[in-house]
Amino acid sequence: GENVEQHPSTLSVQEGDSAVIKCTYSDSASNYFPWYKQELGKGPQLIIDIRSNVGEKKDQRIAVTLNKTAKHFSLHITETQPEDSAVYFCAATPDFGNEKLTFGTGTRLTIIP
Amino acid sequence: EPEVTQTPSHQVTQMGQEVILRCVPISNHLYFYWYRQILGQKVEFLVSFYNNEISEKSEIFDDQFSVERPDGSNFTLKIRSTKLEDSAMYFCARSGEGISYNEQFFGPGTRLTVL
Repeated sequence: GENVEQHPSTLSVQEGDSAVIKCTYSDSASNYFPWYKQELGKGPQLIIDIRSNVGEKKDQRIAVTLNKTAKHFSLHITETQPEDSAVYFCAATPDFGNEKLTFGTGTRLTIIP
Repeated sequence: EPEVTQTPSHQVTQMGQEVILRCVPISNHLYFYWYRQILGQKVEFLVSFYNNEISEKSEIFDDQFSVERPDGSNFTLKIRSTKLEDSAMYFCARSGEGISYNEQFFGPGTRLTVL
């Protein structure tokens, strides 16, 4: 089955700086890669996703890149703000439709004011 | 506004007791999922449910677990005889629509504490 590795496990950045979180996956059949933000006591919230036919996707201050050959994808947050502090999870799934998500181990991002 | 609502928000039970966790979708979607998250760990897939049948289940989803949609609206996860290691956050999720069919939207979760 799929195995998703995520690093770093914790990340602290100064407000206004950029943050990068990286994930690797093992199953070449995986074609859909969402990122979730989880705030304390809440459920994971989908913030951005990318499919394998695209190398990069951007939405305001967040972007995701995908290298399908190397089987890794990354989340980039620019101009970080205090409200970006949360745990971020990457995930992967085959694009066959409605398949289970396999999650990474999470990154606790702390924005230092 | 949450994509799905879950009740209760927190459930405390004694080991060996049965618990039922409930999920109510905001709109009528066909695909639903249950995931769990042990404190401080990653989110793990339990089961997917499509058209009133289990579509896929993980090795975690053993005979102690069951899912159903008894009234066509509420979607329930039952644990027959809880164990200490069942203590976790349990999340219900629903699928997206149209070209967003792969997207999964999570509810706020139920915190299950087994004593």
